Amino acid sequence: DQQVKQNSPSLSVQEGRISILNCDYTNSMFDYFLWYKKYPAEGPTFLISISSIKDKNEDGRFTVFLNKSAKHLSLHIVPSQPGDSAVYFCAAIGDGAGSYQLTFGKGTKLSVIP
Amino acid sequence: EPEVTQTPSHQVTQMGQEVILRCVPISNHLYFYWYRQILGQKVEFLVSFYNNEISEKSEIFDDQFSVERPDGSNFTLKIRSTKLEDSAMYFCASSLTRGKEGYTFGSGTRLTVV
Repeated sequence: DQQVKQNSPSLSVQEGRISILNCDYTNSMFDYFLWYKKYPAEGPTFLISISSIKDKNEDGRFTVFLNKSAKHLSLHIVPSQPGDSAVYFCAAIGDGAGSYQLTFGKGTKLSVIP
Repeated sequence: EPEVTQTPSHQVTQMGQEVILRCVPISNHLYFYWYRQILGQKVEFLVSFYNNEISEKSEIFDDQFSVERPDGSNFTLKIRSTKLEDSAMYFCASSLTRGKEGYTFGSGTRLTVV
C-alpha cells in the first residue's frame, strides 16, 4: 500500500543549483500535503505545506508545486545549500472520512555538494 | 524553540518483554501522536490521542500497544509483549491544532528487539 510515493531514493545537486524533489500520490481524497526534512538522529521537521485547493506555495528558498490532475507534487529548493543535505519526506493528510493521520512517502536523500 | 523530548534514545529488549517508550510533548499542545519507521521503510502512523483518549489508530496499533498520558506532561507508548518485527524507530509528535499545520516530532527512540 503505497499511497504516497517518492520514486527517487537519492538526489545529488551542486551547491547553488536547484534541487527538485518529486512525490506522487494515488489517493484523490488527500486534501493537504506536507514536506518534512530529517537529519540523522533527529525527528522529521516540518518544512512547507500546501492545500489541495492551491497549486503553489512559497516560503523563502522552498516552493511546493501541486498538480492535482497528475496527482503529483514537487519541492523546489533554490539555491541549494550544503545544510539542505537531509532526507526529505513527502506526506499527505485527509481521506475524506475525517482522518488526520499523516501518510508518508519513503523519502529522498538529498546531498548538496559544495 | 519548544521541543518534543523522547526517552530513551535507544532501547534494547528481549522478545516477549514489555517496553514503555516515553515522550514529553510541547506543553501547550493538545494532540499527541506516535509514528514508527522500520529500517528502510516509510514512517507509519500508529495512533493519535486527544482529550485523554485515542482519537485515531492504524491497523498496526493492535492489542499489544497502548498509550497513556499519566500525569498531564508525559505521553507513553507501551508494547506489552515485544516481537522481533517491533524493532523500529518510534517517533512521538504533538500539535496545537489537529494536524494540518504540521506536527513537531521528537528525535525518536530506536527500539531493538532481540
